[in-house]
Amino acid sequence: DQQVKQNSPSLSVQEGRISILNCDYTNSMFDYFLWYKKYPAEGPTFLISISSIKDKNEDGRFTVFLNKSAKHLSLHIVPSQPGDSAVYFCAATTPGAGSYQLTFGKGTKLSVIP
Amino acid sequence: SQTIHQWPATLVQPVGSPLSLECTVEGTSNPNLYWYRQAAGRGLQLLFYSVGIGQISSEVPQNLSASRPQDRQFILSSKKLLLSDSGFYLCAWSVDSYEQYFGPGTRLTVT
Repeated sequence: DQQVKQNSPSLSVQEGRISILNCDYTNSMFDYFLWYKKYPAEGPTFLISISSIKDKNEDGRFTVFLNKSAKHLSLHIVPSQPGDSAVYFCAATTPGAGSYQLTFGKGTKLSVIP
Repeated sequence: SQTIHQWPATLVQPVGSPLSLECTVEGTSNPNLYWYRQAAGRGLQLLFYSVGIGQISSEVPQNLSASRPQDRQFILSSKKLLLSDSGFYLCAWSVDSYEQYFGPGTRLTVT
């Protein structure tokens, strides 16, 4: 059972426009959400996160929105740049002591067209 | 600053051969350490995590094992590789936060 779902395997956006990447989750115990960016043959890099007590977190061109009632979060990139072309993973975690295990979605491949 | 190293970067191994992948972290103490695998067309699957030396938790029953002989060293092993073990293996660390930081990965091809 996939607890974190990224239903769009790919997305193409024109340079300068907004990119919106979506993520849905099923586990209501998730309380912290993260977005990672991954280039081919490299490890993922942490991008931005949000706690369940917030509904928005912004960092430069990147904004994450959380809708707890809908169990949905989204990552907005404005304006999109060619260097943003990568696979984006959504991840979630539940509270608890110790390891902070993350559950990842399957990723969405973003292509920003110059 | 913290850095994480993984080696080798790529590996081609025959079915039935052993495996040893190493991960080391610099610039931090007592990190939580993780091994993930990304199979072709799939997301990141957590294989093992460790909260301290000698402490290993397995998330998925499989042909692999992990060990943590030192505070900042994490090793992924197999006695006999299967074709299904092919994939991109990632090591990650975290300290007192939800954010995990990943290494460059090892591309393993089992032939």
